[in-house]
Amino acid sequence: GNSVTQMEGPVTLSEEAFLTINCTYTATGYPSLFWYVQYPGEGLQLLLKATKADDKGSNKGFEATYRKETTSFHLEKGSVQVSDSAVYFCALDAGTALIFGKGTTLSVSS
Amino acid sequence: DAGVIQSPRHEVTEMGQEVTLRCKPISGHNSLFWYRQTMMRGLELLIYFNNNVPIDDSGMPEDRFSAKMPNASFSTLKIQPSEPRDSAVYFCASSPRGLIHGYTFGSGTRLTVV
Repeated sequence: GNSVTQMEGPVTLSEEAFLTINCTYTATGYPSLFWYVQYPGEGLQLLLKATKADDKGSNKGFEATYRKETTSFHLEKGSVQVSDSAVYFCALDAGTALIFGKGTTLSVSS
Repeated sequence: DAGVIQSPRHEVTEMGQEVTLRCKPISGHNSLFWYRQTMMRGLELLIYFNNNVPIDDSGMPEDRFSAKMPNASFSTLKIQPSEPRDSAVYFCASSPRGLIHGYTFGSGTRLTVV
């Protein structure tokens, strides 16, 4: 079946550090892939997406590349800020609904 | 565009009481989804609708849970009777036809059953 696996958190970084949050998926075919972000007390917001292999989604300095060969969609940012502290969810389009990973908490300190 | 609107934002109720959560999706979106979020289980899909018709309710945990979508602009999730283990944040999300654009989530309803 379809599933998404994210690295377990929390991830704790200092401001301006490099960020990677790993995400791998299992799916039939080539689903669209997404990263969502959830700030404290809020709903999930779409951060970026990629709809086919080798696509790179990007937004607000975050990037993720759809890697078919490794079934991965890792989230990266070159220099994190305190304001990036949030929970990040990887998700895939299962055709009828999105399937989400369990989320990775990022905490950035100044 | 006001986005997906959920009400109430917070609900505290006593065990055994009926709880009704409300959602107004984005105008023109064909699909509506209800999710539950807890620390233990993460995000769980409860039910989703296409064009106001329930398509898959296999995620609804028990018969105490029911959901309706009487028209394209309104949906409810009802728990009757409520139990302490139902305490969670309940999210509604909507999307246009197809999922290539992902969802737009509401701000959620934090339910506490005491």
